[in-house]
Amino acid sequence: EVQLVESGGGLVQPGGSLRLSCAASGFTFSSYWMSWVRQAPGKGLEWVANIKQDGSEKYYVDSVKGRFTISRDKSKNSLYLQMNSLRAEDTAVYYCARCRAVATIFGYYYYMDVWGKGTTVTVSS
Amino acid sequence: EIVMTQSPATLSVSPGERATLSCRASQSVSSNLAWYQQKCGQAPRLLIYGASTRATGIPARFSGSGSGTEFTLTISSLQSEDFAVYYCQQYNNWPPWTFGQGTKVEIK
Repeated sequence: EVQLVESGGGLVQPGGSLRLSCAASGFTFSSYWMSWVRQAPGKGLEWVANIKQDGSEKYYVDSVKGRFTISRDKSKNSLYLQMNSLRAEDTAVYYCARCRAVATIFGYYYYMDVWGKGTTVTVSS
Repeated sequence: EIVMTQSPATLSVSPGERATLSCRASQSVSSNLAWYQQKCGQAPRLLIYGASTRATGIPARFSGSGSGTEFTLTISSLQSEDFAVYYCQQYNNWPPWTFGQGTKVEIK
């Protein structure tokens, strides 16, 4: 069974740091792009970051650039999100998602086909 | 950045009725459009990708249509388990990958 399990969430003060983890199982982790998507309380979904299979390409939403770092470890089948300089507006449930690729003559396109249950991050003093 | 706009914000439907949800992109996203279902307290679940292809295990009562800037998700006969929030997402112009604000389907 394909499974993604997030961990590492919690309560942190503004300006603090937190590292989220996502353990992948049931598929060949090294073959897929991976994503982090978040959802603030009562709000919609917001894409946060993506990483290529080998980690050579990383993309971030503007609001987290310079503060968050996405990474992965093939040997541990794990995805990470290092979050620094946290702000109240980073409070959200953070989901890890697998990206499925669509190859066309125009390039590659990626949508999220499997999601974890999420881990909650609360930034508050 | 492509902005995705969903309508209506809330849709009140009786069980067994048809529900039609709309999603509009601020510029063409071709057919690179996905729909997700999210029930209260749960993670999103992929329903449709490529604008019209059902994901594995998704019942046939869910169908997607459209291309370019206008898309529709139709639930032909609403079951009790279908009352949820539905999001569209474009993956044509990235980054960023962008979601609509969601449509809540509630019991009438």
